[in-house]
Amino acid sequence: GAGVSQSPRYKVAKRGQDVALRCDPISGHVSLFWYQQALGQGPEFLTYFQNEAQLDKSGLPSDRFFAERPEGSVSTLKIQRTQQEDSAVYLCASSSQGTGNTGELFFGEGSRLTVL
Amino acid sequence: AQSVTQPDIHITVSEGASLELRCNYSYGATPYLFWYVQSPGQGLQLLLKYFSGDTLVQGIKGFEAEFKRSQSSFNLRKPSVHWSDAAEYFCAVGVLRDDKIIFGKGTRLHILP
Repeated sequence: GAGVSQSPRYKVAKRGQDVALRCDPISGHVSLFWYQQALGQGPEFLTYFQNEAQLDKSGLPSDRFFAERPEGSVSTLKIQRTQQEDSAVYLCASSSQGTGNTGELFFGEGSRLTVL
Repeated sequence: AQSVTQPDIHITVSEGASLELRCNYSYGATPYLFWYVQSPGQGLQLLLKYFSGDTLVQGIKGFEAEFKRSQSSFNLRKPSVHWSDAAEYFCAVGVLRDDKIIFGKGTRLHILP
C-alpha cells in the first residue's frame, strides 16, 4: 500500500493475555519505529529497526515487550501478560533512512490497545 | 538527554486569527526539529522540519516555524487559521547519530467559528 498499515486498529485484551500488533511499513523503507502514545500524551519511543536489525530498544518498558522484524519489512510488537498500564495507542512509523540523515517519519494510524 | 517542552496543553483561537504554538527543547548540540500534526483518527503528519541553514522554515498547510538557538525554541506559526486546523500538534527533536526522535506532550488547538 501507499502508507504505513497497522493491524488490528483496535484490540481489547483481558489482563494477562498476550497480544501481537502488526506493522506494514512503506515498501522499501529501511527504518521502522514503534512508539507508545498514552491518552493525552505525546508518542514515547519504544524501539527502532534498520532493516532486520533492532538497533535501539531502550524504550521498551519491560521484558514483557518484544519486537521483531525478521525479514526487514513487516514488524510485530508483542506484549506478553498484558497489564492495564499497557493500554495505549501503539504507533508504527517508517522512514526511507534514519532520521539523523534527514529522513521523514511516516506514521500509521496506530493500534489502540485496551486492557481490561 | 534531549527533551521537548510544549508549555500549552490547549490553545483556542478564532478562525482567521494568527497562531503561535510554543516549543522549547533541551539538547547540547544542534538538534533536528520537527512539527507534526495529529487529527482525530489519523496518523501523525509532518508539517515541517529544521535540520540546518535558514532558521525560518516553511511547511505544508501554510505553517512556518523559526529556530532560535539562543532561546532553545522552535515555535510554530500560522498567519490565519482555518477550522480544519483544529488538531493536536507535536513538536519533536532528533539528534545527529541517533535515529529516534523525541516528542513533546502536544498542544491541542481549538478553533472558534
